[in-house]
Amino acid sequence: DGGITQSPKYLFRKEGQNVTLSCEQNLNHDAMYWYRQDPGQGLRLIYYSQIVNDFQKGDIAEGYSVSREKKESFPLTVTSAQKNPTAFYLCASADGSDTQYFGPGTRLTVL
Amino acid sequence: EDQVTQSPEALRLQEGESSSLNCSYTVSGLRGLFWYRQDPGKGPEFLFTLYSAGEEKEKERLKATLTKKESFLHITAPKPEDSATYLCAVSLYGNKLVFGAGTILRVKS
Repeated sequence: DGGITQSPKYLFRKEGQNVTLSCEQNLNHDAMYWYRQDPGQGLRLIYYSQIVNDFQKGDIAEGYSVSREKKESFPLTVTSAQKNPTAFYLCASADGSDTQYFGPGTRLTVL
Repeated sequence: EDQVTQSPEALRLQEGESSSLNCSYTVSGLRGLFWYRQDPGKGPEFLFTLYSAGEEKEKERLKATLTKKESFLHITAPKPEDSATYLCAVSLYGNKLVFGAGTILRVKS
C-alpha cells in the first residue's frame, strides 16, 4: 500500500529542545517537501529536496534543518532557534509532474 | 509578489444548495493550478490539476475550471460529507507550490 507516513502524530517540545519529525514515502518519488500550516494561513514551504543528498531552503527555513540521505526519507528537525514552532507540519512528495501528495501531518506543541 | 487569494473564507450551505469557491492568483510563470481537500487534523487530499485556461475537470459533485486569472471549484448538490477546507495552490518554477489560505465549507443536512 503506497503512501506517505509521518510520525509522530502529536509531539510536544520543551523550551530549548530540538525535535525531529519523520517523513517516509514508498511512492518512489524523487521530490519531497516540508510545509508548516498555521490557523487561517496557507501552507508555507520550509525546505524541499529534488534529489537525494540535495535540498533547498523554502520561504521560512530559519530555525529548521533537514537531511536527505535516502530517497524514501526526509526528516525535519525543529531547532531551539525556531521561536514559534507550534504548528501543524506537513510532508509531501512529488513524481515528475508538479502534483504533490501529502502525508497525514504532525502537530507540534511547545510546552 | 506571487499571491493566491481564496474566497470566501467560509461558506455555509444547505444540503443540495449548489455554489462555487473562488481562487484568484497573481503569479509570474504559472505552471499549473491545484485543488486539495483537507479534513480537520489531516493532510490535504489531492483533487484536481488544471494547466491551461478553459480547462475543466470533474469528480463526483465537484467541477474545477480555470481562466487566465482565477479558478472556480463548483459544488453541485453538496452533501454533509463534502464539508472540509478546500485549498487552492499554484505551481511555480522548481515544483514549488504557493497556497491560498483556504475556504472552509460546511454543508448542513
